Amino acid sequence: SQQGEEDPQALSIQEGENATMNCSYKTSINNLQWYRQNSGRGLVHLILIRSNEREKHSGRLRVTLDTSKKSSSLLITASRAADTASYFCATDGWETSGSRLTFGEGTQLTVNP
Amino acid sequence: GAVVSQHPSRVICKSGTSVKIECRSLDFQATTMFWYRQFPKQSLMLMATSNEGSKATYEQGVEKDKFLINHASLTLSTLTVTSAHPEDSSFYICSAKGRDEQFFGPGTRLTVL
Repeated sequence: SQQGEEDPQALSIQEGENATMNCSYKTSINNLQWYRQNSGRGLVHLILIRSNEREKHSGRLRVTLDTSKKSSSLLITASRAADTASYFCATDGWETSGSRLTFGEGTQLTVNP
Repeated sequence: GAVVSQHPSRVICKSGTSVKIECRSLDFQATTMFWYRQFPKQSLMLMATSNEGSKATYEQGVEKDKFLINHASLTLSTLTVTSAHPEDSSFYICSAKGRDEQFFGPGTRLTVL
């Protein structure tokens, strides 16, 4: 079942602005990952943050994790039109059958040139 | 990063026929692969976890006799949609588990007429 909820569901900004997407989850996690998906394509892994980490950076991406609130945020700075895509958070929690990802509903980001 | 391929990328079939989708990890061995389904403008829903050399573990509500999974080697898992119906039309995505990350295939668009 999907345990991740993301907001906003859709976000439209101008090129150069920052985009912030949030993700909440319900159960304990091993790590949380963010993925990007262009329309009709597969997923591209962006960044992984472990449960004992609070913040992580990768290029123009900044991810935070608050395990007490069971939430994460993805910030894309200085957005570009090419950043237009759907962004999903996914939680990885160990279960008896091995870890598996549970995806949030996703945020559709549109960056207008 | 690791590469996962899927074949075919697109398939159109008649109602009642069976369709096989292949998922290969190209440069690493994957003891665990996952099959997801994604309907338009929705998130990924895990269908089943495929373990090399053993039976797949299906998520609740996924018919194991309809969606046959075979993980015969460490680099190949197949999903066969049997007796396909128009409601099976969807985007099917596989992933292979690495050490921490999951690496996703590019997806297969199935259209059942």
